[in-house]
Amino acid sequence: DVKVTQSSRYLVKRTGEKVFLECVQDMDHENMFWYRQDPGLGLRLIYFSYDVKMKEKGDIPEGYSVSREKKERFSLILESASTNQTSMYLCASSREGLGYGYTFGSGTRLTVV
Amino acid sequence: KQEVTQIPAALSVPEGENLVLNCSFTDSAIYNLQWFRQDPGKGLTSLLLIQSSQREQTSGRLNASLDKSSGRSTLYIAASQPGDSATYLCAVKGSYNTDKLIFGTGTRLQVFP
Repeated sequence: DVKVTQSSRYLVKRTGEKVFLECVQDMDHENMFWYRQDPGLGLRLIYFSYDVKMKEKGDIPEGYSVSREKKERFSLILESASTNQTSMYLCASSREGLGYGYTFGSGTRLTVV
Repeated sequence: KQEVTQIPAALSVPEGENLVLNCSFTDSAIYNLQWFRQDPGKGLTSLLLIQSSQREQTSGRLNASLDKSSGRSTLYIAASQPGDSATYLCAVKGSYNTDKLIFGTGTRLQVFP
């Protein structure tokens, strides 16, 4: 069964910490995406990547960075975590091409205290 | 700018009812539309993917239709069960040569015994 795996289901971090959220897919997909989901705001795109070492800003990139050193792995980095980054983070992947759908991971609930 | 709306925001029905969830989008130039299910605190599970050239897709008790010209999609759930209780999200992949999905804010469904 094809999968997108997010390494942590729940994380609690302190304000100012550097936080890494990891996402791995086993489908050889070219595209990978990071979203955050908040009540009343829906899913918002943070960053995405079309290829290894490629990255593009989404709608809300401020306070985040990403890394894609290998095709299967896409990491989201919070350089200095803040309480307003407490959220559900969702990773997704898709094959390149307009006709393909997304596959999502199970999400990481991050709490910054 | 593409906007996706889902009505109603919440729905509560008795077990066994057939029900329809609605999704509308403002720009009809889409490549596909995807329906997802999300259980509380979990990631998104893909239910159905409809290409722009298709009118409907079926999977078990689920049927999704697409009317591009009117900017609408419906998800029909037959003989609803308590296990169908979840939030249902639709998302469109738009024009301008982008692989990004634009999400609606979801319909929260509760099916009671």
